[in-house]
Amino acid sequence: KAGVTQTPRYLIKTRGQQVTLSCSPISGHRSVSWYQQTPGQGLQFLFEYFSETQRNKGNFPGRFSGRQFSNSRSEMNVSTLELGDSALYLCASKADSSYNEQFFGPGTRLTVL
Amino acid sequence: DAKTTQPTSMDCAEGRAANLPCNHSTISGNEYVYWYRQIHSQGPQYIIHGLKNNETNEMASLIITEDRKSSTLILPHATLRDTAVYYCIVSGNAGGTSYGKLTFGQGTILTVHP
Repeated sequence: KAGVTQTPRYLIKTRGQQVTLSCSPISGHRSVSWYQQTPGQGLQFLFEYFSETQRNKGNFPGRFSGRQFSNSRSEMNVSTLELGDSALYLCASKADSSYNEQFFGPGTRLTVL
Repeated sequence: DAKTTQPTSMDCAEGRAANLPCNHSTISGNEYVYWYRQIHSQGPQYIIHGLKNNETNEMASLIITEDRKSSTLILPHATLRDTAVYYCIVSGNAGGTSYGKLTFGQGTILTVHP
């Protein structure tokens, strides 16, 4: 099975712009979670989508949003970018079970100038 | 989710067992212990999880104390490729506020030396 893929791998934006990141989960996985990783805050949960519905949300401002499509692919969007949004954005997918065994993609490295 | 405490860093000689401890004294009865690791510049990788019994897979063993307040991840024969940050995470079954959420702490930086 192919793993979780994320595009693009690297992105440079300027303050005030918006950005969209894409994640393709492992085939058959309907749950997709997004995380932000920074040196200061570590890995933080953004939100989780399942069957096109957001089921859980972390403590991030409304500038961070996401969606999921019928094929389980997911996108996250960050509007009005700030310097502090520079981070590695990771997505992870999991199978339908009660366990939290998540498979992570390689991440998108976002730099905001 | 219960909070976990791990040592900041540990060293291990190649070929020896690496024993990584984790304290989770506030764990509740339906919460699992998960271990993930993150090799530099890659996404985290699931290693193993358990509820109260010891668990073993092809990567590692997980020993959970009888009171469930602490656990140890054992890499039986560490190699240089096991150098990574290891995260111990306590998580309930993936329902309610746990849906798809892993709460990562700072983890343990394991360095395997030749």
